[in-house]
Amino acid sequence: GAGVSQSPRYKVAKRGQDVALRCDPISGHVSLFWYQQALGQGPEFLTYFQNEAQLDKSGLPSDRFFAERPEGSVSTLKIQRTQQEDSAVYLCASSLGAGAGNTIYFGEGSWLTVV
Amino acid sequence: EDQVTQSPEALRLQEGESSSLNCSYTVSGLRGLFWYRQDPGKGPEFLFTLYSAGEEKEKERLKATLTKKESFLHITAPKPEDSATYLCAVQAPSSASKIIFGSGTRLSIRP
Repeated sequence: GAGVSQSPRYKVAKRGQDVALRCDPISGHVSLFWYQQALGQGPEFLTYFQNEAQLDKSGLPSDRFFAERPEGSVSTLKIQRTQQEDSAVYLCASSLGAGAGNTIYFGEGSWLTVV
Repeated sequence: EDQVTQSPEALRLQEGESSSLNCSYTVSGLRGLFWYRQDPGKGPEFLFTLYSAGEEKEKERLKATLTKKESFLHITAPKPEDSATYLCAVQAPSSASKIIFGSGTRLSIRP
């Protein structure tokens, strides 16, 4: 497709369960970002990839969160032993150039509810 | 600490009633200020990037302006389809990859 694609769109996980969220960026985009958005708040930065290299993971809230982009295209955000406070929308975004100074295109997000 | 504050939190206007949304920022050395539109259940959609004080950008009924401490998103003669949450964000000076978002302004336009 032409835009950033995320799956699943909706996920309900039991507390303690592991989840994996997938992102297909726009083809050819060098940069890939993951953001977390709580209800009624703006997105908060989690991590950044330039091609396959994870250059910034300063926003990951704990060591339960892990992201990868092994071939420089598709990325997966994994959350281990989910907690209720992990409930949020997880947004993936991509841009053609390196860094955050270029136009960034967001996907529609993966809505995670931990019960 | 780098921060972005948007006001008001919510704004209800009548169709055709022009207004402005405010975004105040405190960053040491602005590298770029962004405006996004977010519809319910969707990801943010890019609108504008501003880089320096005095800069203005326009798109249809929207105009974004920038000063040294804040940005305004002016909406002229809005229509119901302009209803959305408008997000302001700045590129973090300390990072080439991080954008800091405000909490947004929820705009509702009544027909």
